[in-house]
Amino acid sequence: DTGVSQNPRHKITKRGQNVTFRCDPISEHNRLYWYRQTLGQGPEFLTYFQNEAQLEKSRLLSDRFSAERPKGSFSTLEIQRTEQGDSAMYLCASSARIGYGANVLTFGAGSRLTVL
Amino acid sequence: ELKVEQNPLFLSMQEGKNYTIYCNYSTTSDRLYWYRQDPGKSLESLFVLLSNGAVKQEGRLMASLDTKARLSTLHITAAVHDLSATYFCAVDHNTDKLIFGTGTRLQVFP
Repeated sequence: DTGVSQNPRHKITKRGQNVTFRCDPISEHNRLYWYRQTLGQGPEFLTYFQNEAQLEKSRLLSDRFSAERPKGSFSTLEIQRTEQGDSAMYLCASSARIGYGANVLTFGAGSRLTVL
Repeated sequence: ELKVEQNPLFLSMQEGKNYTIYCNYSTTSDRLYWYRQDPGKSLESLFVLLSNGAVKQEGRLMASLDTKARLSTLHITAAVHDLSATYFCAVDHNTDKLIFGTGTRLQVFP
């Protein structure tokens, strides 16, 4: 297994366009997370899935954002009608709980979005 | 709402010196995670602390957890240039999501 894979690594788009990011988690992991990170800040939680069920969405996630994990394997994050404020690194992570309470997330390399 | 704060936000230190990064969080949690991020790279897990008084060490880094004080520390011993990176702590407060701190950018110079 090569870890968590994200594509594309970098996306430049014009304001108003739609973009989609894909994440392939570690195959044994049932949880999949999306975070957003801007320069100089820590990752901000957006949403997460357990298998194919989307269990929580952050208030940060406006109606323009939608995430899916149709078969409990890969996930997509779509941003519609992009705005300049959407420019950020979008990080995907996956996990499988180990022992009591531990939930170590393995992160992908991220997809950097630049909205012009 | 769970908040996680780190200090300092930026740390410039000389090789060979010792220093401590602090992570405070606002609500009860028994689980604290430390991650490292190199420039332009993703986050790498360093330590998982699962109970009050837990201490983990790896090389020149040692992490500890005081759940009563809602405080974790990451202690750096005899810093070397390879430790230059941004360090994040994260807490999960009985949910499945991790809330991250703002990060401490560490720069080690000769």
